[in-house]
Amino acid sequence: SAVISQKPSRDICQRGTSLTIQCQVDSQVTMMFWYRQQPGQSLTLIATANQGSEATYESGFVIDKFPISRPNLTFSTLTVSNMSPEDSSIYLCSVRKGTGQETQYFGPGTRLLVL
Amino acid sequence: AQSVTQPDIHITVSEGASLELRCNYSYGATPYLFWYVQSPGQGLQLLLKYFSGDTLVQGIKGFEAEFKRSQSSFNLRKPSVHWSDAAEYFCAVGAGDYKLSFGAGTTVTVRA
Repeated sequence: SAVISQKPSRDICQRGTSLTIQCQVDSQVTMMFWYRQQPGQSLTLIATANQGSEATYESGFVIDKFPISRPNLTFSTLTVSNMSPEDSSIYLCSVRKGTGQETQYFGPGTRLLVL
Repeated sequence: AQSVTQPDIHITVSEGASLELRCNYSYGATPYLFWYVQSPGQGLQLLLKYFSGDTLVQGIKGFEAEFKRSQSSFNLRKPSVHWSDAAEYFCAVGAGDYKLSFGAGTTVTVRA
């Protein structure tokens, strides 16, 4: 498995501002993912972050709104830019681990409220 | 692309009773299947997974799930529910690109 931490755990932000969420994992991993969970909803994949390359974004998500960094194999950041109340969600990072039975393990999430 | 349906939005069960959560998937090949649990205010915890082999898989916290290819299902079961099992449960399907598609989730309420 993997031990994943996220900072901050929660935040309340004003519209128009930006927030950077950090994700730290206890071992080196190739693939990291960022998900959004809107209130009462399931998880939606925002992007895949691989070290040494640009993040790959899913349909409906763009780099200008959700820039991602992946400076090394244990760390990634997601920035939510120019926030609006619609960005109020839980943001979760996950990592893929395992050989032959690759499994995603999730961090505790960052709960964001935009006023 | 793969997709997942969890037909039950909310299930209420008495403590000590059995629990079954339904999951149906759509995918052209053999999928990778997962069940995760999210307790209030928490992240997702992996309960169990299926990749191949024995179609009945055991997980943590006394949960098990059975893969039925003919029914495109991966239902989660627990013989006797504890109050601490109250949570939201997500079924997910993965494909060769390692991306996961999640179902809408089933909220489980446990009554005393």
